[in-house]
Amino acid sequence: DQQVKQNSPSLSVQEGRISILNCDYTNSMFDYFLWYKKYPAEGPTFLISISSIKDKNEDGRFTVFLNKSAKHLSLHIVPSQPGDSAVYFCAATTIFGNEKLTFGTGTRLTIIP
Amino acid sequence: DTAVSQTPKYLVTQMGNDKSIKCEQNLGHDTMYWYKQDSKKFLKIMFSYNNKELIINETVPNRFSPKSPDKAHLNLHINSLELGDSAVYFCASSQDPRDQRAYEQYFGPGTRLTVT
Repeated sequence: DQQVKQNSPSLSVQEGRISILNCDYTNSMFDYFLWYKKYPAEGPTFLISISSIKDKNEDGRFTVFLNKSAKHLSLHIVPSQPGDSAVYFCAATTIFGNEKLTFGTGTRLTIIP
Repeated sequence: DTAVSQTPKYLVTQMGNDKSIKCEQNLGHDTMYWYKQDSKKFLKIMFSYNNKELIINETVPNRFSPKSPDKAHLNLHINSLELGDSAVYFCASSQDPRDQRAYEQYFGPGTRLTVT
């Protein structure tokens, strides 16, 4: 039972345009969400997070949007740069839990120069 | 000055052998984790330790035994290796659970285990 889903295994975006990565979750107990970025042969790197008390969090070129009623979150990258080419993982947890992160299967983003 | 390091990076071994993977973090974090990323790229938690105490143990076969000699180290020992154990294993760490940034986990580069 996959509680966090990223339905697009891959995405290609022109450099300078907006990249939108999507994530859906099924467990209504999740109240904290994170995005990680992963380059080949490296471990995932924390990118940005959002608490369920917010619907938006912005950090430079990266913005995460949360729609609790739809159990959906998205990561917007604008403008997209070649260095953004990587696999992006969505993760979810419960704040008063044991810090266990449940990950999605990832979306491979390719930025086309 | 690597934050979370793992050794070895690659491990090729035969079925039935016993092997260990080591993890060290120099971030001063209290909590460490082991994750398994299988062939479908699904990253799933196996164990977590907080100050050398086991916190999470996710229905992992008891052939897998984590050992935390101190809060900067979390090693993973695997007995009687099976073909299905082939995967990439990631170690991670995070700050004190009472810190609001405890959910931001820092990952090592991974250990690719191949069982033949």
